[in-house]
Amino acid sequence: DAKTTQPTSMDCAEGRAANLPCNHSTISGNEYVYWYRQIHSQGPQYIIHGLKNNETNEMASLIITEDRKSSTLILPHATLRDTAVYYCIVNTGANSKLTFGKGITLSVRP
Amino acid sequence: DGGITQSPKYLFRKEGQNVTLSCEQNLNHDAMYWYRQDPGQGLRLIYYSQIVNDFQKGDIAEGYSVSREKKESFPLTVTSAQKNPTAFYLCASTLRGSHGYTFGSGTRLTVV
Repeated sequence: DAKTTQPTSMDCAEGRAANLPCNHSTISGNEYVYWYRQIHSQGPQYIIHGLKNNETNEMASLIITEDRKSSTLILPHATLRDTAVYYCIVNTGANSKLTFGKGITLSVRP
Repeated sequence: DGGITQSPKYLFRKEGQNVTLSCEQNLNHDAMYWYRQDPGQGLRLIYYSQIVNDFQKGDIAEGYSVSREKKESFPLTVTSAQKNPTAFYLCASTLRGSHGYTFGSGTRLTVV
């Protein structure tokens, strides 16, 4: 599986958009980009995934660059409950093993 | 409600004892996974199973054993051979063809 690179941490103000970057320069053509988040002492929660096109769901938007070497997860209106560790993962898809790095710690401040 | 249940939430054991962590899902998911998480670290894959009566080693299988006798159950045994068993253990499952994993709430094992 391709590796990903994420900053260690970032913060944003409550109500503002949180833009979480991820680099995956060695991604293969058949690999998806997945995002999960983990709130302290809980299991990770699936957020969104994409292959080439930008994706949006009720939780977030995923913007993938045209060359697919990087992506950004956008939480449009961050709340205090969005404070968590966010993991960016690349993987070949369904039923494949997921490899979790250290992720990025997002702190939402009041 | 459908979900994945790990029990117990906290578990204390003496060094040298085997201990079994429970993972049950009623989501009719095909594949199940066990991960280990140490403080400040990401998740590392211990074992996974894509069908009943079959399972494969992950990246850190030494000192652990699993079984998959039923589709809904995937218990993990931490044996005395595991050198540093104190950790947060997470179970996950996924449906064939689906992209999202569902995780349990974890079991925090402390060996004293």
